[in-house]
Amino acid sequence: DAMVIQNPRYQVTQFGKPVTLSCSQTLNHNVMYWYQQKSSQAPKLLFHYYDKDFNNEADTPDNFQSRRPNTSFCFLDIRSPGLGDAAMYLCATSRDRGNLYEQYFGPGTRLTVT
Amino acid sequence: AQSVTQLGSHVSVSEGALVLLRCNYSSSVPPYLFWYVQYPNQGLQLLLKYTTGATLVKGINGFEAEFKKSETSFHLTKPSAHMSDAAEYFCAVSDSTSYDKVIFGPGTSLSVIP
Repeated sequence: DAMVIQNPRYQVTQFGKPVTLSCSQTLNHNVMYWYQQKSSQAPKLLFHYYDKDFNNEADTPDNFQSRRPNTSFCFLDIRSPGLGDAAMYLCATSRDRGNLYEQYFGPGTRLTVT
Repeated sequence: AQSVTQLGSHVSVSEGALVLLRCNYSSSVPPYLFWYVQYPNQGLQLLLKYTTGATLVKGINGFEAEFKKSETSFHLTKPSAHMSDAAEYFCAVSDSTSYDKVIFGPGTSLSVIP
């Protein structure tokens, strides 16, 4: 089945230690999104790629970076995680740009910062 | 700017009873409206969406929602709750001015009592 896969499902990192979260998709979608979802809160968009075009949200901290080496993969890098970065990180894809296209979400990676 | 409010962070219903989850939005132009469901430790799944046309929208799993422009509402209903409906539900809004961005509401946690 075509899907959005996130690895690992659970990640523990130490305060200040760089961490990378991975997302892959078999849908061949052009757009890939990263959301941060803190406990009992709505998902918050961090950034997205339209093909290779990177689009950062204005309020996304510089501590968060992303890479998309090819259509299938997208990575979220947190350069120096703080305790406040503990959250669920959701990857999503959509076939094309525009809010009429459904977003397909992965199961998420729950990040713990110790 | 767009925004979404969901009345009731937690709703409990008995199995077989009507499910009503409330959503009100704010948008300066005609909105696109979405309902997503999130099961524990999983990503979001689109239940239904309204873009244009018929104001009563039917989705998956027996859910439907009605767009009421005069009330700026998009409430989600299901005639008969099932135990498997227990989850977090997010209402979301987008419009033609925010081409790629969907704004999520704070969510409503639905519990179904046997």
